[in-house]
Order: sequence, then C-alpha cells, then structure tokens
Amino acid sequence: LAKTTQPISMDSYEGQEVNITCSHNNIATNDYITWYQQFPSQGPRFIIQGYKTKVTNEVASLFIPADRKSSTLSLPRVSLSDTAVYYCLVGDTGRRALTFGSGTRLQVQP
Amino acid sequence: ETGVTQSPTHLIKTRGQQVTLRCSSQSGHNTVSWYQQALGQGPQFIFQYYREEENGRGNFPPRFSGLQFPNYSSELNVNALELDDSALYLCASSLAGTGGAGYGYTFGSGTRLTVV
Repeated sequence: LAKTTQPISMDSYEGQEVNITCSHNNIATNDYITWYQQFPSQGPRFIIQGYKTKVTNEVASLFIPADRKSSTLSLPRVSLSDTAVYYCLVGDTGRRALTFGSGTRLQVQP
Repeated sequence: ETGVTQSPTHLIKTRGQQVTLRCSSQSGHNTVSWYQQALGQGPQFIFQYYREEENGRGNFPPRFSGLQFPNYSSELNVNALELDDSALYLCASSLAGTGGAGYGYTFGSGTRLTVV
C-alpha cells in the first residue's frame, strides 16, 4: 500500500496559483493518483485523477513526473472558497478502500 | 441526479448505547462504503457493501456492522458505543466496475456522532 506525504498546511492569497505536492515513493505500477477536496462538515469531493504526465479539468491540473513518485495538484487563481483540506490518494482500480492521509489544509486569504 | 444523503446530520448518544446511521446512495450507484473521520484526521475506511453483501472491511471491530438494501440505501450500526466513536461518519456511493482508485465516488455530508 503506497504511503503518501503532503504538507500539513499552506497559505495563499486570492488570485494566486497554488501548487500542492504529494510524495508517494512506493507507488505501484497499477496505482492511480487521485485528489479530493473537503470543506468543513462536508464529505470529500473528487477533484482530479491521473496516471502519468498531465491531466487538466475545469477545476485543476495534475502534474505527474515520469517516475510517478510524486504528483502536484495545481489550482489556478484561487479564491476564498478554495479554502479546504486537500487529500492525495494512491490506489489501483481493484482496491475497495480509499486510503486518506491527513491532507493539506489550504487557507486562502483576501 | 440526486447525490448521497445521510441522516441524521447530528446525533448525541451515551456510552454503551447503540446507534443506526442511514445513507441513500446516488441514483445509479450500486456500491456503498462507510468511513469514520475523527476531528483533524482523514476519513478511515470502515467497510463496503455490494449486492447487499460486505465485500471489504477496514480495521474496525465487529460492533461496527452494516446493511445494504435492494434499493442500494444503507445503514451503519454501531453497538456498545465508546467515547472514541465520536466522529463524522461518511457514506460514499459508487458504481462497481467504473470507479476504483478514488474515481467515481460520491460522498454524503456525513453524520456527526457525539458519544458522551
């Protein structure tokens, strides 16, 4: 089971780009990398998933280097509403349990 | 398309009591998972149900049990409540064979259980 390591917290200002890096040194060949967002008193919400290189959707981009031992979630031009906890998950499609770490608490200030 | 709904939103129980939490899956989903989230921590997997059978379990004792009904709604039952059971309990639904690895899961807003 691949262990993930992310910064405990990050601070940013509105309009800035935020990059959150997750380390997963023992990622397996069949593992995907998934990021979730969670607001207080709400359940986690899927943001983006990738296997290698770069993935982009309307919310974020995910950068994965060739060795796949880390990944970076990029949030362009954050707003106050992006203040949340962000979780990096690693796992294969056959896994029934999602393994969450402690996540990264992003605080966006005006 | 409706999301995942959980009830109740908040609950206070006394140590030693039993509690039942309920979850209504997202339309079209046939798999439900339950997670426990203590304050300041990430969600921890309790178990998953598919076709009304438990098909995966995390490191939780047998006093945590569940049910999945033919309409894919689900219950989480906890017996002999302990103070450490105080947490946010999250239900997540997905469609078997299309999700996995975190894709395609829809979480509810959870039930906040306080054991006193």
